[in-house]
Amino acid sequence: DAKTTQPNSMESNEEEPVHLPCNHSTISGTDYIHWYRQLPSQGPEYVIHGLTSNVNNRMASLAIAEDRKSSTLILHRATLRDAAVYYCIPNTGNQFYFGTGTSLTVIP
Amino acid sequence: DSGVTQTPKHLITATGQRVTLRCSPRSGDLSVYWYQQSLDQGLQFLIQYYNGEERAKGNILERFSAQQFPDLHSELNLSSLELGDSALYFCASSVTGGDTEAFFGQGTRLTVV
Repeated sequence: DAKTTQPNSMESNEEEPVHLPCNHSTISGTDYIHWYRQLPSQGPEYVIHGLTSNVNNRMASLAIAEDRKSSTLILHRATLRDAAVYYCIPNTGNQFYFGTGTSLTVIP
Repeated sequence: DSGVTQTPKHLITATGQRVTLRCSPRSGDLSVYWYQQSLDQGLQFLIQYYNGEERAKGNILERFSAQQFPDLHSELNLSSLELGDSALYFCASSVTGGDTEAFFGQGTRLTVV
């Protein structure tokens, strides 16, 4: 399985952009890069995923390095509801392996 | 609402007992995943089914088993329960596998006393 490295925690001010980094240097060429987040006492929530090109959706943007060894999840304007643990998951085969993620604190 | 339904939401049972957790995937999703989340372990992948067949197995104990039925709902059976099995159990579904997003249910909180 591809190993990931994410900061344990990050802070952001409300209304400001947040860049959440992830290193996945052992990713294989066919692994999609998925991001999920988990709010307290809730199930994980899909955020975004991509293979090679940068991706945008209503929640966030995903910037994938050219060598695919790292990616960055971008929340354009952090809100208090974005406070959660964010997981970067290179999908190996079919299962999703969750690491320890990044705990994002949003400061009002 | 993710569209994935898990029942029951809460379950309290005694050590040594057996329980069954149920998961109804989103309409059209063929893959079902089971995860266990305890306080000190994070989200642990247990098992995946695709269209009724087991596709991948993770850290699932021999006391645990699962299956996916022809209508695509899935059940996770936990037997000879121990205190350490107390956890949140999540089910997720996706259309196919790793190239599509997975949607998670709200979980079943199992407490073994």
